[in-house]
Amino acid sequence: DQQVKQNSPSLSVQEGRISILNCDYTNSMFDYFLWYKKYPAEGPTFLISISSIKDKNEDGRFTVFLNKSAKHLSLHIVPSQPGDSAVYFCAASARVRSGGSNYKLTFGKGTLLTVNP
Amino acid sequence: DSGVTQTPKHLITATGQRVTLRCSPRSGDLSVYWYQQSLDQGLQFLIQYYNGEERAKGNILERFSAQQFPDLHSELNLSSLELGDSALYFCASSTQGFTGELFFGEGSRLTVL
Repeated sequence: DQQVKQNSPSLSVQEGRISILNCDYTNSMFDYFLWYKKYPAEGPTFLISISSIKDKNEDGRFTVFLNKSAKHLSLHIVPSQPGDSAVYFCAASARVRSGGSNYKLTFGKGTLLTVNP
Repeated sequence: DSGVTQTPKHLITATGQRVTLRCSPRSGDLSVYWYQQSLDQGLQFLIQYYNGEERAKGNILERFSAQQFPDLHSELNLSSLELGDSALYFCASSTQGFTGELFFGEGSRLTVL
């Protein structure tokens, strides 16, 4: 049962244009949504997050939009740069049980973004 | 550099063998998570420890086990290895008040021949 889905395995855009990466989820108990970026031979690194009580969060060139009714989130990168070429993972967290750090993070399969110069 | 250290970086072994992967979390982080990334798969959550105690379990096989030691480093033990266990194994740590931000190590690539 895949609770976090990234239906596009890859995306190619031109430098300077907008990149839009999409993610769908099924579990309404998720309370935070995150995007991670992964370069080859490195571990994933946190990029941006959004709480389930918000619908938009912006950080520089990166904006995440959340549509709770559609159980959909997206990451917009404007303008896209060649250095943004990486695999982007959508993730969602839910509390496993109360107290302490008891959150479980569920990842999608990732989308390979290629930004062409 | 995330501050999370994983060893070994690469490991090649044969079916039926047992291996141990090691992880040192960021200084001050009490939680350690293990994830598996196989070909064409996302990051599959295996198990979480918090200050030495198991806190959450994911899709971890019975042939796999983990523990977190008093110095907070963690080990993932994989036994009776099969070809399908070939994957990247990531360790991550997080701070208290966790909202989803994990700090990942560079991973241990396991190849089972």
